[in-house]
Amino acid sequence: GQNIDQPTEMTATEGAIVQINCTYQTSGFNGLFWYQQHAGEAPTFLSYNVLDGLEEKGRFSSFLSRSKGYSYLLLKELQMKDSASYLCAVPSKGGYNKLIFGAGTRLAVHP
Amino acid sequence: ETGVTQTPRHLVMGMTNKKSLKCEQHLGHNAMYWYKQSAKKPLELMFVYSLEERVENNSVPSRFSPECPNSSHLFLHLHTLQPEDSALYLCASSLSAGGSYEQYFGPGTRLTVT
Repeated sequence: GQNIDQPTEMTATEGAIVQINCTYQTSGFNGLFWYQQHAGEAPTFLSYNVLDGLEEKGRFSSFLSRSKGYSYLLLKELQMKDSASYLCAVPSKGGYNKLIFGAGTRLAVHP
Repeated sequence: ETGVTQTPRHLVMGMTNKKSLKCEQHLGHNAMYWYKQSAKKPLELMFVYSLEERVENNSVPSRFSPECPNSSHLFLHLHTLQPEDSALYLCASSLSAGGSYEQYFGPGTRLTVT
């Protein structure tokens, strides 16, 4: 089966750096997605990692270690608008582009 | 704006009603999806359509009936729902249903079953 774990909630201060972890167990690996979802809104794509290492995209970076079944999303220079849920997802083994989502990490950024 | 629209945004229905949710994507994608998002639960995939053909039914009860008349439109027909079906229903699309492609989500329909 497949399982995804991420912390339920995190808090951080404006201007700081926060790391949101995700561990996964999957039979067969086809990459890992991170999505951002503001309350009451649609999830929006942040990153996709299929190879080990860090991928940087502005203030957001995503890291993957396939051997450890581990990923993290790094948010730098936090802004109030970064308060949202961050969803980790992996494609299901075989078949179609069926994403298995974690429960999400709700990040609250305080002044 | 992600290029995926959903109507209505909010819906309240009784258990004996029949209603439909509509999704439209303007991205030229070939795959469309229905997800259910309940409070404090992960997003759950319900259905996958590839080029108007249903390719995945994730053990969804028959009171939910999807329809995909063309690759730009997706419907979810609802009948005799239960209160536990109250949730946010999200539609998504991607370039293809094969492989790992980014999915673009609509804003969702907040459904309340009374």
